[in-house]
Amino acid sequence: QQQVKQSPQSLIVQKGGIPIINCAYENTAFDYFPWYQQFPGKGPALLIAIRPDVSEKKEGRFTISFNKSAKQFSLHIMDSQPGDSATYFCAALSGNTGKLIFGQGTTLQVKP
Amino acid sequence: GAVVSQHPSRVICKSGTSVKIECRSLDFQATTMFWYRQFPKKSLMLMATSNEGSKATYEQGVEKDKFLINHASLTLSTLTVTSAHPEDSSFYICSATPLGYSNQPQHFGDGTRLSIL
Repeated sequence: QQQVKQSPQSLIVQKGGIPIINCAYENTAFDYFPWYQQFPGKGPALLIAIRPDVSEKKEGRFTISFNKSAKQFSLHIMDSQPGDSATYFCAALSGNTGKLIFGQGTTLQVKP
Repeated sequence: GAVVSQHPSRVICKSGTSVKIECRSLDFQATTMFWYRQFPKKSLMLMATSNEGSKATYEQGVEKDKFLINHASLTLSTLTVTSAHPEDSSFYICSATPLGYSNQPQHFGDGTRLSIL
């Protein structure tokens, strides 16, 4: 019940493409859903986050779509660039515990 | 923005050595910090929650006597890997949430690469 399932495991797109990463959760106690970007040898950096009372949030080239009834959310990266090549993690936060549960991660490669 | 600093960034030591890793919140106070472990090409696994002024709470399967956590102030938590062995080699990452914002995403340090020979 504490799991967050993320797919795909890896993704390759051409520059300018729109990679989409999907996540699903089961625990309805989760109340905040952040996405993190991680480069090799670095800690995760917060990219964008959404609360379950909102269906979509956009910040720059990054968009989260949230489907509360399906308990699914996804990250879209518009006009992807080679510099976006990194590992992306979705996560779910329980406000009660403050604990973050991470998805398995998606390694994105954007080809020039 | 909120900045979390970890030190050292990398440590290599012999088996049997104890290693201390520091996690500092540079521009905010945090009553709670978190310690994660990450294996190559894997996700982050929560090890323990560090609480200022009280004992840490450990996740199931994490040995509290192996991984000692001290949270002595509102800006500093330390993780000590005691009598480290090669299987303890990993990437250790801490995170923190600003005081009063427990329902918002955590800010992460840049991690510590621990290699035990």
